[in-house]
Amino acid sequence: GDSVTQMEGPVTLSEEAFLTINCTYTATGYPSLFWYVQYPGEGLQLLLKATKADDKGSNKGFEATYRKETTSFHLEKGSVQVSDSAVYFCALSDRTGGFKTIFGAGTRLFVKA
Amino acid sequence: GAVVSQHPSWVICKSGTSVKIECRSLDFQATTMFWYRQFPKQSLMLMATSNEGSKATYEQGVEKDKFLINHASLTLSTLTVTSAHPEDSSFYICSFTGGPSLPSYNEQFFGPGTRLTVL
Repeated sequence: GDSVTQMEGPVTLSEEAFLTINCTYTATGYPSLFWYVQYPGEGLQLLLKATKADDKGSNKGFEATYRKETTSFHLEKGSVQVSDSAVYFCALSDRTGGFKTIFGAGTRLFVKA
Repeated sequence: GAVVSQHPSWVICKSGTSVKIECRSLDFQATTMFWYRQFPKQSLMLMATSNEGSKATYEQGVEKDKFLINHASLTLSTLTVTSAHPEDSSFYICSFTGGPSLPSYNEQFFGPGTRLTVL
């Protein structure tokens, strides 16, 4: 079945550091890919998405490119802020799976001032 | 994006009681909805999927008689945890998808979650 694998955390960075959180997926169809963010005590918020190969999703300085050849959707940000501290979930959704969203395990990010 | 509300946002109950959690889509009609549970520091685990007017489809290992789901309308779904026990304590999150008729049809819109604590 479909699955998502993302790098284990926690990831601890200093403010203004470069962030990469790796995410790879397996899917039988042609999924859409997502990054969700969960701030402490809150529900999930969509951060960005890409619906087809080579699409780049971007939001709030975060970017991720849908790489079909490497089945990857790595999340990047050039300069993190303390307010970016949260848990980040990579996910996919596939029509053949009835649009169920499959989540990765989540990566906790701590940004120090 | 669409707005989804959940009520209550947190609830504490005694062991053996039942708890109902409501999930509403506020600005669009949802054809499919999902219920997830999330244990501390873990990912979301899908519990069940339901379409309006149909019975819910439960994931393997989820007891349908314990977690009753009612997708009453295109804007409301409820999850009732029956005879709750401490091991049911968790963060429950609902989500809607609008289906193929919406531009973002394969995107889910999540509620803020309900934290259930069973004493």
